[in-house]
Amino acid sequence: AQKITQTQPGMFVQEKEAVTLDCTYDTSDPSYGLFWYKQPSSGEMIFLIYQGSYDQQNATEGRYSLNFQKARKSANLVISASQLGDSAMYFCAMRGRSNQFYFGTGTSLTVIP
Amino acid sequence: SAVISQKPSRDICQRGTSLTIQCQVDSQVTMMFWYRQQPGQSLTLIATANQGSEATYESGFVIDKFPISRPNLTFSTLTVSNMSPEDSSIYLCSVVGPGGDYGYTFGSGTRLTVV
Repeated sequence: AQKITQTQPGMFVQEKEAVTLDCTYDTSDPSYGLFWYKQPSSGEMIFLIYQGSYDQQNATEGRYSLNFQKARKSANLVISASQLGDSAMYFCAMRGRSNQFYFGTGTSLTVIP
Repeated sequence: SAVISQKPSRDICQRGTSLTIQCQVDSQVTMMFWYRQQPGQSLTLIATANQGSEATYESGFVIDKFPISRPNLTFSTLTVSNMSPEDSSIYLCSVVGPGGDYGYTFGSGTRLTVV
């Protein structure tokens, strides 16, 4: 069975500082994809970053990077130089065999001026 | 990635009524999904919308309550039937479009309140 675990229900970070949001996963599939989404209060899901299970390098997208440790089954999101607009819910997700997503419970990030 | 237009963006409905949510994609996509996000919760997959055939429902979701249509490769609807306050949630459609794994896209969501 697929499972995503986010153990931080809420996080605070000072503006311009970096923050790491934790995500661990469990799967028996040899091939899988890991995603991070941002959900502002408006409710839409905004794709941030993707990591394939066979990718040798950690994914980066602008201020977002994914710290992928396959042996530990972790896929932590690092946001550098936090901005006030980064305040939102962040969801880690894994793509299943039939392309459906399994989501973690989310982390609420608040950026403090 | 594909662009999705999801309607309505929000609605307030009376219990016992039904609401149909539409998801229109700007390109043909192979797979479409419907998710529910209850207040303060994560997203839960309701079903996979199959083009030209019955949707595939996840455990805990049934066709009589959440009928889904997918007449072609760019359009799908989800109906929330005989609504109760427990159905108050955000409903989102999702597609796998061009770009493979980089092509996963979500609609903007429908915020439903049942009173």
